[in-house]
Amino acid sequence: SQQGEEDPQALSIQEGENATMNCSYKTSINNLQWYRQNSGRGLVHLILIRSNEREKHSGRLRVTLDTSKKSSSLLITASRAADTASYFCATTGYSGGGADGLTFGKGTHLIIQP
Amino acid sequence: KAGVTQTPRYLIKTRGQQVTLSCSPISGHRSVSWYQQTPGQGLQFLFEYFSETQRNKGNFPGRFSGRQFSNSRSEMNVSTLELGDSALYLCASSLFGVWGDRVNEQYFGPGTRLTVT
Repeated sequence: SQQGEEDPQALSIQEGENATMNCSYKTSINNLQWYRQNSGRGLVHLILIRSNEREKHSGRLRVTLDTSKKSSSLLITASRAADTASYFCATTGYSGGGADGLTFGKGTHLIIQP
Repeated sequence: KAGVTQTPRYLIKTRGQQVTLSCSPISGHRSVSWYQQTPGQGLQFLFEYFSETQRNKGNFPGRFSGRQFSNSRSEMNVSTLELGDSALYLCASSLFGVWGDRVNEQYFGPGTRLTVT
């Protein structure tokens, strides 16, 4: 079953604007990652934020994590046409003697209009 | 470094057949994970192999199996294919995989798109 739920499901903005997408999850996590997928191809890792971190930056990306609300947000500033893709949050928990792999949300489809 | 490669890229099979997909991880990576992506269920974790051992398994029937070789290359097999197995199958490699709080970046291959008719 899906752990994360991204919101919105789809987002269309003009080039140059900022894009914000949110992710909520259900259980305790060790960390949360954001991935990008272009047109049904492989996923590209964007950023990882650990459960004891609140905010992280990478280039035009800013990720926040609120473990009390079990939510994260991804902000892409000064969007470009090349940012058009689906964005997924993925969480890792810890169960018993092992790990659960990455648990993905259903993704936000971002369209950047030129 | 060469990225994660998956073969074949596209595959069409008939219900009841079996299929084997291959994944070559980035050199030096010992963990390979497999994921299934469908429009309805999204991305779902199948299993992870580390040093030739299956370390974790998702909630999939026994028709889905895998293995990892000493060079870290991995294969997954689906027996008795069903229409619902049509999906994009992604593999991801990483240095240590997902284990407790020792999480590191996963590098995904382009995927194998399997169509079952």
